Amino acid sequence: EDQVTQSPEALRLQEGESSSLNCSYTVSGLRGLFWYRQDPGKGPEFLFTLYSAGEEKEKERLKATLTKKESFLHITAPKPEDSATYLCAVGGYSTLTFGKGTMLLVSP
Amino acid sequence: SAVISQKPSRDICQRGTSLTIQCQVDSQVTMMFWYRQQPGQSLTLIATANQGSEATYESGFVIDKFPISRPNLTFSTLTVSNMSPEDSSIYLCSVGETGGDEQYFGPGTRLTVT
Repeated sequence: EDQVTQSPEALRLQEGESSSLNCSYTVSGLRGLFWYRQDPGKGPEFLFTLYSAGEEKEKERLKATLTKKESFLHITAPKPEDSATYLCAVGGYSTLTFGKGTMLLVSP
Repeated sequence: SAVISQKPSRDICQRGTSLTIQCQVDSQVTMMFWYRQQPGQSLTLIATANQGSEATYESGFVIDKFPISRPNLTFSTLTVSNMSPEDSSIYLCSVGETGGDEQYFGPGTRLTVT
């Protein structure tokens, strides 16, 4: 059974203070690892898919990296609008197993 | 990516009643899914909605409680039957597009059962 653990559960940053979110996973065979952003009252918004160890993807202030056991979502110089819950999932196409998410709050 | 809408966006229902949630996609998609998101918990897959055949349910979810319809490639419904306060949750539909592994989510339906 696939398992996903995200840490920390919550993170408060000052604007401009870079940090990383962690997603550790246990799978029988990794098809893909996915990052989503979820704003309050909305559905998850797809950010990245990573397929193999060493792969990196970037979007604005976000960079996702993947190793054989975990993934990191690096947030560089965050802004208040980056405040959201970030979800990690493993699987692909027909089956996604999600972690509980990291709630990020960026203060001005 | 596909644009997904859900109706209603939220509802408050009485114990013992049923609610049907609609999911509409602006393009034909092969895969449609229904998830539940309870406070403090991860998204949990309820079932895969199959066009023209019965839905495929995950462990812990049964058709009598969560009947699903998928009459065509752009529309699906999820019914939450005989509701109890434990069914209070956000219900989300998602779609998978041909050639991609990721899923795209609708805005969700926030259900409160009193």
